[in-house]
Amino acid sequence: KQEVTQIPAALSVPEGENLVLNCSFTDSAIYNLQWFRQDPGKGLTSLLLIQSSQREQTSGRLNASLDKSSGRSTLYIAASQPGDSATYLCAVSGSNYQLIWGAGTKLIIKP
Amino acid sequence: KAGVTQTPRYLIKTRGQQVTLSCSPISGHRSVSWYQQTPGQGLQFLFEYFSETQRNKGNFPGRFSGRQFSNSRSEMNVSTLELGDSALYLCASSLGTGEDGELFFGEGSRLTVL
Repeated sequence: KQEVTQIPAALSVPEGENLVLNCSFTDSAIYNLQWFRQDPGKGLTSLLLIQSSQREQTSGRLNASLDKSSGRSTLYIAASQPGDSATYLCAVSGSNYQLIWGAGTKLIIKP
Repeated sequence: KAGVTQTPRYLIKTRGQQVTLSCSPISGHRSVSWYQQTPGQGLQFLFEYFSETQRNKGNFPGRFSGRQFSNSRSEMNVSTLELGDSALYLCASSLGTGEDGELFFGEGSRLTVL
């Protein structure tokens, strides 16, 4: 049974710092891994999708990596801004089309 | 291009009632999936539809049901509501499946059961 873990559960850093969010999963047989952000009371916004055959994806200040063999993904945020404050979730998709979610990392960027 | 639209955004029901939530996917998307989000359990998968067929279902009781129409719009229904059904219900659509199944979410329907 696939399990997804995100560490840390919460993170508070000063504006301008580079930071890394972690996501680990127990079953390497995945189709893809997605990173999302969620603002309070809102839906989810897709940030990056990494297909199982890929090692990383980049979008602006965001870079996500995937290491299937070790069951890990990281989301790197460069030059953090207060607007990056949100909860970040990772989810893995397997052959049964079901997404398995991590519990999320609540990120606070202090001005 | 319009995003995923969920209606209603907020609703309040009492125990024992039933509720129907609607989701209109992005134009051209044939896959629609539903999720329940609560503070205690986080995000949990409810079910997923592709071309009007339910492909997968999460571990929820039979009170939770759904369907997808020929235009890809989807509805989910919860009957005999319980207090624990209070949650944010999220719908997502995607163009493809497998590796290319990037999900796009609606704003959600927040259900409060009194």
